[in-house]
Amino acid sequence: SQTIHQWPATLVQPVGSPLSLECTVEGTSNPNLYWYRQAAGRGLQLLFYSVGIGQISSEVPQNLSASRPQDRQFILSSKKLLLSDSGFYLCAWSKEGTPYNEQFFGPGTRLTVL
Amino acid sequence: AQSVAQPEDQVNVAEGNPLTVKCTYSVSGNPYLFWYVQYPNRGLQFLLKYITGDNLVKGSYGFEAEFNKSQTSFHLKKPSALVSDSALYFCAVRDMRGTYKYIFGTGTRLKVLA
Repeated sequence: SQTIHQWPATLVQPVGSPLSLECTVEGTSNPNLYWYRQAAGRGLQLLFYSVGIGQISSEVPQNLSASRPQDRQFILSSKKLLLSDSGFYLCAWSKEGTPYNEQFFGPGTRLTVL
Repeated sequence: AQSVAQPEDQVNVAEGNPLTVKCTYSVSGNPYLFWYVQYPNRGLQFLLKYITGDNLVKGSYGFEAEFNKSQTSFHLKKPSALVSDSALYFCAVRDMRGTYKYIFGTGTRLKVLA
């Protein structure tokens, strides 16, 4: 069976510090990978998605970046965090190949920037 | 434009009563529609999806959804609500514009009252 991991689960960082959130998927190969941010327990904002190693599509221009160094690893980074970066970050994956495959979400990382 | 609308921010229902969470969509071509549930501080969980065929789709935890092409709707239903169904529900549609993205609604908070 497939599983998706995210870490850390919670993170408190000062403004201006760097960020690295990691997401890994087990039990599948060549997944489509996604990073979302959820503010205040409401809607999802798609930040990045990737359909293969080194292939990153950015949805929102901001101080965040994403990388996919391995097939099942997706990393969200920032060089300098802003207060507005606080939120709940969700990683998700879906099977490649067909458009009707559902997404599977990780447990999320709660980021607080002080 | 491709979009999903969840017109209700919150739905309250008494335990044991039927529940409906509304979703309407706007896509070009055939829609692939999804429902997800999110419990506090957790990732989203897949409930069900519509691909084609029978307009009534059955999913996890006793939920079902009715696809209505003429009304462009995909409402989530359950015959008898449980207090444990209280959560945030998201409707989503696959973006068919040659991307790998999913378009999410803003979410509806379901509160089941004992």
